[in-house]
Amino acid sequence: DTGVSQDPRHKITKRGQNVTFRCDPISEHNRLYWYRQTLGQGPEFLTYFQNEAQLEKSRLLSDRFSAERPKGSFSTLEIQRTEQGDSAMYLCASSGLTSGGTSLFGPGTRLTVL
Amino acid sequence: QKEVEQDPGPLSVPEGAIVSLNCTYSNSAFQYFMWYRQYSRKGPELLMYTYSSGNKEDGRFTAQVDKSSKYISLFIRDSQPSDSATYLCAMSQPTGTASKLTFGTGTRLQVTL
Repeated sequence: DTGVSQDPRHKITKRGQNVTFRCDPISEHNRLYWYRQTLGQGPEFLTYFQNEAQLEKSRLLSDRFSAERPKGSFSTLEIQRTEQGDSAMYLCASSGLTSGGTSLFGPGTRLTVL
Repeated sequence: QKEVEQDPGPLSVPEGAIVSLNCTYSNSAFQYFMWYRQYSRKGPELLMYTYSSGNKEDGRFTAQVDKSSKYISLFIRDSQPSDSATYLCAMSQPTGTASKLTFGTGTRLQVTL
């Protein structure tokens, strides 16, 4: 297991389109997080899963955003009816006993909404 | 006011210098403190992790936490051009089930030859 992976790495879409991102965490990690990072800012928390349960959502996660982790392994983040303000880096992180509780991040998916 | 404040820089130092990076925070419930390094267009990479107050050293890196002042620092000794990156401080509360992170804005560091 080489770490957290995310797909795609880059996504360019037109305003109003739907997009879906995938995150594969480190296999033994039971916690999975999504963050959003805009230029010049630190990552901001979006949502958190423990196994397949979504336990917390930020108020940043509008109703156009939905995240799933159906079998407690990989996770998807979908944005419906994208807006230009959704352009950002979407980061996935995972944590578990083997990481000492610290979060390890994937490379991110860079979304550009035209 | 943000929960975590960090000077965005940029900070430019010559190779071999000692670098000091800092964050202040307002939430006294934060107990876990981390520093991440982020290269351009990459995900954050964990550098240092400390719990509560005190110092922790790892190679050229030293992390300090002063909870009484709500102030954390990262020192980089003998800085190298490869240290040029954005350094993000992050912190979390001991909620027992979650460890979501609250980040600073990041400080951009440039180490010049």
